[in-house]
Amino acid sequence: DIQMTQSPSSLSASVGDRVNISCRASQGISRYLNWYQQQSGQAPKLLIYGTSNLQGGVPSRFSGSGSGTDFTLTISNLQPEDFATYFCQQSYSTLFTFGPGTKVDIK
Amino acid sequence: QVQLQESGPGLVKPSQTLSLTCKVSGDSINSGNYYWNWIRQLPGGGLEWIGYIFHSGSTNYNPSLKSRVIISVDTSTNHFSLRLNSVTAADTAVYFCAKYDILTGRFDPWGQGTLVTVSS
Repeated sequence: DIQMTQSPSSLSASVGDRVNISCRASQGISRYLNWYQQQSGQAPKLLIYGTSNLQGGVPSRFSGSGSGTDFTLTISNLQPEDFATYFCQQSYSTLFTFGPGTKVDIK
Repeated sequence: QVQLQESGPGLVKPSQTLSLTCKVSGDSINSGNYYWNWIRQLPGGGLEWIGYIFHSGSTNYNPSLKSRVIISVDTSTNHFSLRLNSVTAADTAVYFCAKYDILTGRFDPWGQGTLVTVSS
């Protein structure tokens, strides 16, 4: 299995802040990396696919970067609706795996 | 717009079989380069991919669950199903169905999820 890790596991931030969430794969996954946002009690929602491609309807304050084993989700100008949990997920192997999540809450 | 909706019992007894169905609307399961998936979210919050089925009926399962899982598809009614045998309390989770685009490698959309509790 390709193991996915995320850091930090949680963070506190304020509206307007810039936030970076890291995701690391246990082996190289090229750019086959997706990011999802999950609000409490809801299903995960796709934000970014293929490392840096913004899903339709997702605000441009979300961006992704990286390749190989190290990836970053950046949220610039954090908005109240962005307080949620974020998961990374690899699609390099069809034994799909997810990171453990990063919870972003209000400082 | 594609929508997925899970349905099934919310309570299953230990050692019995968990059975869920995912109804797909707004698209045909036969429509091409997609895998139809089951994913669960355990009480601690982690997401675990269970398996997928292609419209042809070919399947791929997580090895950790493979001995207990069957995913099937009914293209005539546009739904696919999950059966998980010999459940224990460790199978208590929110179960999601999700569409996977083979060309872009993304899960989208997801169903709203259904909580299944394993308890006597």
